[in-house]
Amino acid sequence: SAVISQKPSRDICQRGTSLTIQCQVDSQVTMMFWYRQQPGQSLTLIATANQGSEATYESGFVIDKFPISRPNLTFSTLTVSNMSPEDSSIYLCSVEEAQGEAFFGQGTRLTVV
Amino acid sequence: GENVEQHPSTLSVQEGDSAVIKCTYSDSASNYFPWYKQELGKRPQLIIDIRSNVGEKKDQRIAVTLNKTAKHFSLHITETQPEDSAVYFCAASKGGSNYQLIWGAGTKLIIKP
Repeated sequence: SAVISQKPSRDICQRGTSLTIQCQVDSQVTMMFWYRQQPGQSLTLIATANQGSEATYESGFVIDKFPISRPNLTFSTLTVSNMSPEDSSIYLCSVEEAQGEAFFGQGTRLTVV
Repeated sequence: GENVEQHPSTLSVQEGDSAVIKCTYSDSASNYFPWYKQELGKRPQLIIDIRSNVGEKKDQRIAVTLNKTAKHFSLHITETQPEDSAVYFCAASKGGSNYQLIWGAGTKLIIKP
């Protein structure tokens, strides 16, 4: 199974600033997924990141707010831009292996004050 | 697109009893159905999955059943233990690493001592 290192694990940020979250995978993967999870809620897909192309965003999420980089097949970043308290949440990166099994990074708990 | 509904949202059972969580899906093309366990403050972890070519799969105290005709699948946990307390998510996809998982809303399982 894929091993994903995600950092930072948590951060407290001032409103109006930006935070970049990094995910490193121990194997090459075609697609990486970025999720947001509010406390006690399910996983909401923000975007899918393919290497060499622009990320595909889900309804309600836009590139200006959540720019994503995917420079190679083992690494991706998600930036939360111009943060407000409503952005306080847990952010998770994920990969799916060949048969569809998903594995997650340890998550980033973001608090915006 | 695919839609996954999960019930109940909260389930409280006595230690030693069985727990059953049910999910329905809408897209008949879906053929991969995993279950994830998420303990408080941790990332979701795959606990069992089933593909459309089988009706049931068992791994020690947990089992998953699939009814393709009715488009529903269930997670069964027998002889529940305190460490089973967590949030459980079902998901569905068309299988393979290029198809995103569609997630249920989650079930909070509480094991009463």
